[in-house]
Amino acid sequence: SQELEQSPQSLIVQEGKNLTINCTSSKTLYGLYWYKQKYGEGLIFLMMLQKGGEEKSHEKITAKLDEKKQQSSLHITASQPSHAGIYLCGAALRGSARQLTFGSGTQLTVLP
Amino acid sequence: EAQVTQNPRYLITVTGKKLTVTCSQNMNHEYMSWYRQDPGLGLRQIYYSMNVEVTDKGDVPEGYKVSRKEKRNFPLILESPSPNQTSLYFCASSLIGLYNEQFFGPGTRLTVL
Repeated sequence: SQELEQSPQSLIVQEGKNLTINCTSSKTLYGLYWYKQKYGEGLIFLMMLQKGGEEKSHEKITAKLDEKKQQSSLHITASQPSHAGIYLCGAALRGSARQLTFGSGTQLTVLP
Repeated sequence: EAQVTQNPRYLITVTGKKLTVTCSQNMNHEYMSWYRQDPGLGLRQIYYSMNVEVTDKGDVPEGYKVSRKEKRNFPLILESPSPNQTSLYFCASSLIGLYNEQFFGPGTRLTVL
């Protein structure tokens, strides 16, 4: 099984709907990163969380890291077709920046 | 413009023919890393480097080599490619430290026939 589990694996929503993607680990998450990827292209950095309870927002995307630092959620408000893509969470599970572990990604489709 | 570049972007080759994928960054980052991305498996780390002449294995290093002779470059070498190395490869770089963003290159799609 993956050390970082993302759910759901895929998500299809109607434009304007809210949605949440989760990233769960059995270990403490250090430096939790969220990236977005267009199919077959590079990764675009969205935001990074480091403290338990931390929450960050950028435009209509909000990410939170729970108090125990073992789960993060990414919430998109009023989704748009431009939000479509693959969302990946990554974390330094071993407390070191030397090796980042990534989840398998969530494929988001937004229907106009 | 701060960026990570990779070449080639697309490559089709045959089993056993040595190849090198180049990676270069212009941000003076100490840390560089290679990942491969496969459907359902996400990004898996191949090798990483903490600085010049310092490299270490990631989670899936078999069949790959790297070198770090200069700070800006971190080439990925496949001495004898096999079909199971068909994948999308990403190079990334960052400053040293736990909470620094990793900047990713655009990816190299490799097909080994």
